Amino acid sequence: EDKVVQSPLSLVVHEGDTVTLNCSYEVTNFRSLLWYKQEKKAPTFLFMLTSSGIEKKSGRLSSILDKKELFSILNITATQTGDSAVYLCAVANAGNMLTFGGGTRLMVKP
Amino acid sequence: NAGVTQTPKFRVLKTGQSMTLLCAQDMNHEYMYWYRQDPGMGLRLIHYSVGEGTTAKGEVPDGYNVSRLKKQNFLLGLESAAPSQTSVYFCASTSSPWTSGFNNEQFFGPGTRLTVL
Repeated sequence: EDKVVQSPLSLVVHEGDTVTLNCSYEVTNFRSLLWYKQEKKAPTFLFMLTSSGIEKKSGRLSSILDKKELFSILNITATQTGDSAVYLCAVANAGNMLTFGGGTRLMVKP
Repeated sequence: NAGVTQTPKFRVLKTGQSMTLLCAQDMNHEYMYWYRQDPGMGLRLIHYSVGEGTTAKGEVPDGYNVSRLKKQNFLLGLESAAPSQTSVYFCASTSSPWTSGFNNEQFFGPGTRLTVL
C-alpha cells in the first residue's frame, strides 16, 4: 500500500522566518512527487519533482527530492502571512494515481 | 475557461437520504477523480475514471457510486448517506499520461461540503 507521511503536522512561525516542511513516502512504481498549497478551498499546484537532487524554485519557495532516501522537502524563505495554509505532498504512481500525505498546517504570524 | 467546477457547494442530508455530486471540467481531460478530505487525513481517493464510460475504485469506495457518461462530467452518488460520509469532497482532473507535456498535475474543483445528520 502506498504511503505518504508529512511532518510536522503544524507549525507556527513569525513573518520573515524560514521554514522546512518534510515529506517521506513509500510507493510502488514511483513516477513523481507533487506539492500543493491549500488555503480555504481547492489545493493549488506548486511543484512537481521527478529527479533526485534537482531543486525546483519559485520565488521564495523551493523543493528538492531524494529518491534514494524517499523524501522531499519544501522550503519557504522570508515567510509572509499569505503563506499561511496547509501544504500537501502527494506521490504519483505509474497509473497516475496520487497518494496524499496528511498535510502540514503552517501559520505565519505578523 | 472555467476549469473544474462542482455542484452543489454545500449540502446537509439526513441519514439514509441520497444525493449526487456533479463535477464538470472544460479542459478535455481524460482522467477524473473524486476525493474526500477529513481533518488531518489529507485527501483520499474514492473513485476515478480514465475515460468516458470507465470507472474504477480508489482507496475508500464503500458507500459511493460513480458514473462517467460524458467525458466532461463525473458524478458521485451516495445512495444511503451515513454520518461517516460527512466530509469535504473534491473532484480533480488531468490529461492522460500519453498527452504531450503531461506532468501528473491534477486540477481541483472548489469542493463540496457535505454534512450528514
